[in-house]
Amino acid sequence: IAGITQAPTSQILAAGRRMTLRCTQDMRHNAMYWYRQDLGLGLRLIHYSNTAGTTGKGEVPDGYSVSRANTDDFPLTLASAVPSQTSVYFCASSEAPEGRRQYFGPGTRLTVL
Amino acid sequence: AQSVTQPDIHITVSEGASLELRCNYSYGATPYLFWYVQSPGQGLQLLLKYFSGDTLVQGIKGFEAEFKRSQSSFNLRKPSVHWSDAAEYFCAVADNNDMRFGAGTRLTVKP
Repeated sequence: IAGITQAPTSQILAAGRRMTLRCTQDMRHNAMYWYRQDLGLGLRLIHYSNTAGTTGKGEVPDGYSVSRANTDDFPLTLASAVPSQTSVYFCASSEAPEGRRQYFGPGTRLTVL
Repeated sequence: AQSVTQPDIHITVSEGASLELRCNYSYGATPYLFWYVQSPGQGLQLLLKYFSGDTLVQGIKGFEAEFKRSQSSFNLRKPSVHWSDAAEYFCAVADNNDMRFGAGTRLTVKP
């Protein structure tokens, strides 16, 4: 069982380009999340999904979009990347959204130049 | 919205010494509280969590944390630190699908 996988592991991207970060979980968890981790700020929630077909905005959603077409996949898209989106991105999942433990993927390191 | 403060950005302790990492939260009701650990280049691993009941919770790797409602704190402790405990530690508070993390405390362990 892989748990949560993220792709790519790292990426360097030119500003203005479109980028999709992939996240797949094999635990059949209902809820999924995207965070960005920046030095001195900890992790901040970008978007979440309580169940397939629904999504919601987190603390820092601007410049990002998500979709949840099925239970396993939760891609994060940067429509037009900007340097301030340089960060490490973590995908997470939990059985249910009600304060349950979240399981984290290994992260994607994104650099926008 | 809830928030979490970890007052110590960086802590250095000697191997074998005791450890306490501080965490204060702001939340109106009884929160769900977590401590996660992150080794360099890795994702986050759950150490322990508090939902309700006994305010002293035991976690993995010999860690424990105590929920103190009067102080809005959830400090992480370990009686004897091992070199392998060197990592970044994050406290988090959750309200349904909104989990807020502290900025983290980096732990260095001296031989």
